[in-house]
Amino acid sequence: QVRLQEPGPGLVEPSQTLSLTCTVFAGSFTSDGYYWTWIRQRPGKGLEWIGYIYNNGDTNYNPSLRSRLTISLDTSENQFSLNLNSVTAADTAVYYCARESGDGHNGYLDSWGQGTLVTVSS
Amino acid sequence: DIVMTQSPDSLAVSLGERATINCKSSQSVFYSPNNKNYLAWYQQKPGQPPKLLIYWASTRESGVPDRFSGSGSGTDFTLTISSLQAEDVAVYYCQQYYATPPRTFGQGTKVEIK
Repeated sequence: QVRLQEPGPGLVEPSQTLSLTCTVFAGSFTSDGYYWTWIRQRPGKGLEWIGYIYNNGDTNYNPSLRSRLTISLDTSENQFSLNLNSVTAADTAVYYCARESGDGHNGYLDSWGQGTLVTVSS
Repeated sequence: DIVMTQSPDSLAVSLGERATINCKSSQSVFYSPNNKNYLAWYQQKPGQPPKLLIYWASTRESGVPDRFSGSGSGTDFTLTISSLQAEDVAVYYCQQYYATPPRTFGQGTKVEIK
């Protein structure tokens, strides 16, 4: 059973870069057919898809964040990372990492990390 | 972007009664070559991450009680809880994974006990 783990809560100053790393336990990280995904949820709000990375490094980003976003992976550590630069208070949210499974091209999120609260504030 | 609209925003149902949540997509999420609807449902309880309930519009995830069912095709979908239990109090989200970027979610429906 795959398990995903994000770090603990964090504080980022406005205009700085938000960096998170998700560690994947119990296999499947380099298996074909899985897209490693970031989702966020602003306080009291719904879910926003940020983007994903495939095991070959191919990425797909939400156009609303694309200019500030980089998702990368480290297969030797079974980790994938999120970097969001020039943050503002609007980026304050719980950030989840998740695994997308499906037909190899499009899929549903079948495993989620517990989420980490990132607060943007000076 | 495909816009997902859920209704109602919230509902209160008596224990043991049926709860029905609707989800409408701004364009079809049905792919005819494989006869699949690219639609999932998630349950989120307070302080927890979302949990996958239903995928391909009607396939129940392993371990999900059979009181949860999904139906619909094209642009109109429904999540039904046939007999509401206390542990079903949560916010429910639909999500399309037909098109990217981006994948998109509905705004959520809060289910409470009447």
